[in-house]
Amino acid sequence: EDKVVQSPLSLVVHEGDTVTLNCSYEVTNFRSLLWYKQEKKAPTFLFMLTSSGIEKKSGRLSSILDKKELFSILNITATQTGDSAVYLCAPYAGGTSYGKLTFGQGTILTVHP
Amino acid sequence: DGGITQSPKYLFRKEGQNVTLSCEQNLNHDAMYWYRQDPGQGLRLIYYSQIVNDFQKGDIAEGYSVSREKKESFPLTVTSAQKNPTAFYLCASSIRNQPQHFGDGTRLSIL
Repeated sequence: EDKVVQSPLSLVVHEGDTVTLNCSYEVTNFRSLLWYKQEKKAPTFLFMLTSSGIEKKSGRLSSILDKKELFSILNITATQTGDSAVYLCAPYAGGTSYGKLTFGQGTILTVHP
Repeated sequence: DGGITQSPKYLFRKEGQNVTLSCEQNLNHDAMYWYRQDPGQGLRLIYYSQIVNDFQKGDIAEGYSVSREKKESFPLTVTSAQKNPTAFYLCASSIRNQPQHFGDGTRLSIL
């Protein structure tokens, strides 16, 4: 059975802090790993990681994948109140033409002014 | 604008009633997905469809049914057999090996 574990489950910080969110996974026929940010409604796409050791960056957010140790991290530097959200990681896996995503339970990030 | 539209935003179900959640996309994506999200949990896959007139069960398909008669539409019916239907339902679509895009969801509650 595919398994995804995110840690911590929740995190409270102040503006300007740096945070690291963790995602470990065990899935069959792994293809890539996706990170999403969910505020009130639809999850919005952040990163798709396919290769080990190559950091992807978007502004203050960055992410990296380790396919040997089966984990990924999402870093957010100089946090802002607008970063408050649930962050979801989801390995994309499967042997057919379209695979499927298996989501972790999410990390709830709260950033105080 | 291209996107995924889910309706209604809020839905209430009476005991023994079937209800249908709508999902429409104009992104020309082949694949569409339905997820359920419970408080404090991640998304769990209910059903998915890779092409018209074909769909597969996800991890929690019991008590749900779907159809895919058109590429743009993938409605989900929550049947009376689903004993705990209260949840947030999200529809998504994608093209092969690309990130899924999500609609804004439907919150279903029991009366």
